[in-house]
Amino acid sequence: EDKVVQSPLSLVVHEGDTVTLNCSYEVTNFRSLLWYKQEKKAPTFLFMLTSSGIEKKSGRLSSILDKKELFSILNITATQTGDSAVYLCAPTDSWGKFQFGAGTQVVVTP
Amino acid sequence: EPEVTQTPSHQVTQMGQEVILRCVPISNHLYFYWYRQILGQKVEFLVSFYNNEISEKSEIFDDQFSVERPDGSNFTLKIRSTKLEDSAMYFCASSETSRGANVLTFGAGSRLTVL
Repeated sequence: EDKVVQSPLSLVVHEGDTVTLNCSYEVTNFRSLLWYKQEKKAPTFLFMLTSSGIEKKSGRLSSILDKKELFSILNITATQTGDSAVYLCAPTDSWGKFQFGAGTQVVVTP
Repeated sequence: EPEVTQTPSHQVTQMGQEVILRCVPISNHLYFYWYRQILGQKVEFLVSFYNNEISEKSEIFDDQFSVERPDGSNFTLKIRSTKLEDSAMYFCASSETSRGANVLTFGAGSRLTVL
């Protein structure tokens, strides 16, 4: 059975700290892994990773995939209060089916 | 920027009533989805839809649920005989493709409260 595990479940950091979020997965016919940020409502797209070892960056956020060890990491540097959200990891299979993890709730305090 | 729009944003209904949640996917997208998120829980897949038919559905999507694309733009989720446990945020999403590396774009969600 396919499985997606995110850790930690939640964390509280101070502005300026760096956070590292983990996502491990077991998905049959894995094709890609996406990260989403969910604030009050809809998840918004952050990254799509398809290849191992290639870091994707967007401002203070970066992410990398390890297809051998079946995990991905999302890093946020110099955190700001606007980074407070739930971060969702979603691996997909070759049929395009998404499986969401339970998410990591990040709270950034001033 | 193109977006997926959903209505209503919040609906309150009595147990046993039928509700219809509406979605307008991004215009050039061909694949449509409904997901559900019960408060405090993970986002769960309900159903995917392509070429006017269901392409995949989860165990949650039983006979109580149905989807329809009644015209060229709307995509609806009907929930018959609602139960308390149907209370959740329902997200519509769409994508250009379904196979391979695709990105889902989500709507803002419709919060359903069943009393």
